Amino acid sequence: QVQLVESGGGVVQPGGSLRLSCAASGFRFSTYGMDWVRQAPGKGLEWVAFIRYDARDKFYADSVKGRFTIYRDNSKNMVYLEMNSLTAEDTAVYYCAKMFSWGDFDYWGQGTLVTVSS
Amino acid sequence: DIVMTQTPLSSPVTLGQPASISCRSSQSLVHSDGNTYLSWLQQRPGQPPRLLIYKVSDRFSGVPDRFTGSGAGTDFTLKISRVEAEDVGVYYCMQATQFPWAFGQGTKVEIK
Repeated sequence: QVQLVESGGGVVQPGGSLRLSCAASGFRFSTYGMDWVRQAPGKGLEWVAFIRYDARDKFYADSVKGRFTIYRDNSKNMVYLEMNSLTAEDTAVYYCAKMFSWGDFDYWGQGTLVTVSS
Repeated sequence: DIVMTQTPLSSPVTLGQPASISCRSSQSLVHSDGNTYLSWLQQRPGQPPRLLIYKVSDRFSGVPDRFTGSGAGTDFTLKISRVEAEDVGVYYCMQATQFPWAFGQGTKVEIK
């Protein structure tokens, strides 16, 4: 069965960096696009980043462009989100999501909480 | 950027009664490939989101047929024909026609 397990969340100071990881299993990872979506405490969903199955295309939300980088390792079935210059507005649960077709997320991880605070 | 606006933001519903959520986009969601990439997701309390409807009206695997999506262009609707207790949660529309992709603010469905 499909599983997505995020890790790497935690407490980080403003201006700091963090790398999130998402371990995928149960499907042919190298053939699917992957995304990160976040949700601030008590708030709605915010799409963060997309990476094509072969990593040739990457797109970002305006709010994270230039600070966050999405990348993947198809040999390890992993997708990552490198986050730099973090601010309090980046505090959220970060979900990894698998796309089964363009823009449609059929599986989600349980999320990892990132808290940016001094 | 495309902005997604949902109404209402809260929908108290009696069990067994219908519910309807509207989603409007600031631009047409018809992609150059002819598809309209509008989906609906449900998020139950304490859970990650779950895909209900994709490409406006296609019901995802395992989703009960009481959930129906419709619409075109900039106006879309999710209807629940008879609300059940397990339908409580927040519902989001999402556009994937143009980057940056965007969700609506969410509509909270609760039982009266």
